[in-house]
Amino acid sequence: TQLLEQSPQFLSIQEGENLTVYCNSSSVFSSLQWYRQEPGEGPVLLVTVVTGGEVKKLKRLTFQFGDARKDSSLHITAAQPGDTGLYLCAGAVYSGAGSYQLTFGKGTKLSVIP
Amino acid sequence: DAGVIQSPRHEVTEMGQEVTLRCKPISGHDYLFWYRQTMMRGLELLIYFNNNVPIDDSGMPEDRFSAKMPNASFSTLKIQPSEPRDSAVYFCASSPTSGRAEFFGPGTRLTVL
Repeated sequence: TQLLEQSPQFLSIQEGENLTVYCNSSSVFSSLQWYRQEPGEGPVLLVTVVTGGEVKKLKRLTFQFGDARKDSSLHITAAQPGDTGLYLCAGAVYSGAGSYQLTFGKGTKLSVIP
Repeated sequence: DAGVIQSPRHEVTEMGQEVTLRCKPISGHDYLFWYRQTMMRGLELLIYFNNNVPIDDSGMPEDRFSAKMPNASFSTLKIQPSEPRDSAVYFCASSPTSGRAEFFGPGTRLTVL
């Protein structure tokens, strides 16, 4: 059972369009992170959200953490070819003794066509 | 800082051979994570260390996999014997805080024939 469901799995859009990708779970997370991964490289952290309802902006990217801290969304405005990549969300769950377990979704593969 | 360093970047081996993957975390990071990524299963946590001590190895698929962290600047993931189903990209990541694998290495692409 996948703890974190990401949708859509694949997304191909034209440059300049807007898009939203989703990360959903039935579990409550202490925090949630979004990463972007390009082919042949490791994931790169974009943002960490901690508080339910929190909204963070990173240039054209807007991240929102659900009020119940079970889901999150990533909205990209005026997508550019440089936004192409695999977007991964990861949720942290407290596992005891001061440690947290991080679980990743399978990702949304975004292609932005010039 | 050079970031998380992994070696080798690519490894091709035959079934039954021993494989050792290496990782140097970012200096000062207390947490080190080993992940495996495949198309089918995505990114899976295998094991993580805190201050060189293994904390959770529940993701290690079976006894053929072992990981060590002899000091704060070096970790290894060993597969013995390797099998074709172990083919994947293996990532090492480090972090100054728990639950946040913030800095990933470039990965080792392992192919077992």
